[in-house]
Amino acid sequence: DQQVKQNSPSLSVQEGRISILNCDYTNSMFDYFLWYKKYPAEGPTFLISISSIKDKNEDGRFTVFLNKSAKHLSLHIVPSQPGDSAVYFCAASRWDTGNQFYFGTGTSLTVIP
Amino acid sequence: DVKVTQSSRYLVKRTGEKVFLECVQDMDHENMFWYRQDPGLGLRLIYFSYDVKMKEKGDIPEGYSVSREKKERFSLILESASTNQTSMYLCASRLAGNQNTGELFFGEGSRLTVL
Repeated sequence: DQQVKQNSPSLSVQEGRISILNCDYTNSMFDYFLWYKKYPAEGPTFLISISSIKDKNEDGRFTVFLNKSAKHLSLHIVPSQPGDSAVYFCAASRWDTGNQFYFGTGTSLTVIP
Repeated sequence: DVKVTQSSRYLVKRTGEKVFLECVQDMDHENMFWYRQDPGLGLRLIYFSYDVKMKEKGDIPEGYSVSREKKERFSLILESASTNQTSMYLCASRLAGNQNTGELFFGEGSRLTVL
């Protein structure tokens, strides 16, 4: 049973425009969310996280928004660059099972020069 | 920087063989994890360990076992490899502390093909 879902397997965006990657979750007990970026033949690398006590967290070109009532989070990349082309995974965890991170299926982002 | 090293990037094994995947981290992290990544399924947790000689089953432990004899090393063992275990295997580590904050640091992955 997939508790974290990324319903868009792929996304293409022009360089310089905004990329918006979406993630939905079903478990209302999740209280910590992360985004990871993965290039082919490499391990995922941490990008940005957000705690459920916030609704927005920003780090340079990357902003994560959390809508708890909708059980939805999104990652905004502005402006998008060709080097951002990768697979993006969202992940969630809950405080009482802190070692269990639940990952989505990933969205492959292509930034077109 | 945290470094998580997986011993083999690419392996090809035959059905029924015993397979060892080794993972070493150099940042004294208490928690270590094994995931597998498959297209359309994302990353799924096989096993994790929160201390030496301690292990917990993840979501898909069947067909796998693990060993953590030293803090820095976490091994995944396939006792009798099967074709449905062909996958990308990812090791990760994390500092214990706040129960669920703090990111996972991943290795580069081991691509296993079982013929």
